Amino acid sequence: AQKITQTQPGMFVQEKEAVTLDCTYDTSDPSYGLFWYKQPSSGEMIFLIYQGSYDQQNATEGRYSLNFQKARKSANLVISASQLGDSAMYFCAMRESTSYDKVIFGPGTSLSVIP
Amino acid sequence: DVKVTQSSRYLVKRTGEKVFLECVQDMDHENMFWYRQDPGLGLRLIYFSYDVKMKEKGDIPEGYSVSREKKERFSLILESASTNQTSMYLCASSSRGQHYEQYFGPGTRLTVT
Repeated sequence: AQKITQTQPGMFVQEKEAVTLDCTYDTSDPSYGLFWYKQPSSGEMIFLIYQGSYDQQNATEGRYSLNFQKARKSANLVISASQLGDSAMYFCAMRESTSYDKVIFGPGTSLSVIP
Repeated sequence: DVKVTQSSRYLVKRTGEKVFLECVQDMDHENMFWYRQDPGLGLRLIYFSYDVKMKEKGDIPEGYSVSREKKERFSLILESASTNQTSMYLCASSSRGQHYEQYFGPGTRLTVT
């Protein structure tokens, strides 16, 4: 069964606008971590942001914030003030505490920023 | 800087050949991972290792094996390469603990003809 779902295969956003990339997950483990990674066309995977299941506040890192809704099992990435360099694939990932640090990824969302 | 290196960026092999993909990390990480990345499917976990000589199957282990004899090195082995194993292979490492992010290598694009 798919544990990480990213329902938007591709998205477009105007430069300087904010954009939300969706991620839902499925786990019965009460303790887990959620990650977002960026993969530009050059291919390297870049860690963006982390949210722990017990964190009380939504994570933020510069222009990135994570809209964490635990009851809905949702961990959407919000990018504010989009830049051309934000054009990339974005992957949501989850690590469960009961699975020896195994990390699984969603299928990704391709974001294109339009000037 | 954390560095994860992979032995080849591009590799072309014939069907039936035995293929070795090597990954080395220099940050003393306990965990190492092998993923394959295909368009529309994201990264799928093949195997991971949480300690020397320890390994766990991921979601798609069939047709692959792994070896971790030293902490810094994690090898992925295709015993008999097939065309459906043509893909991008990504290695990653991380510290133990659910809040630690992974560091990725540059990837190996493997083509099996």
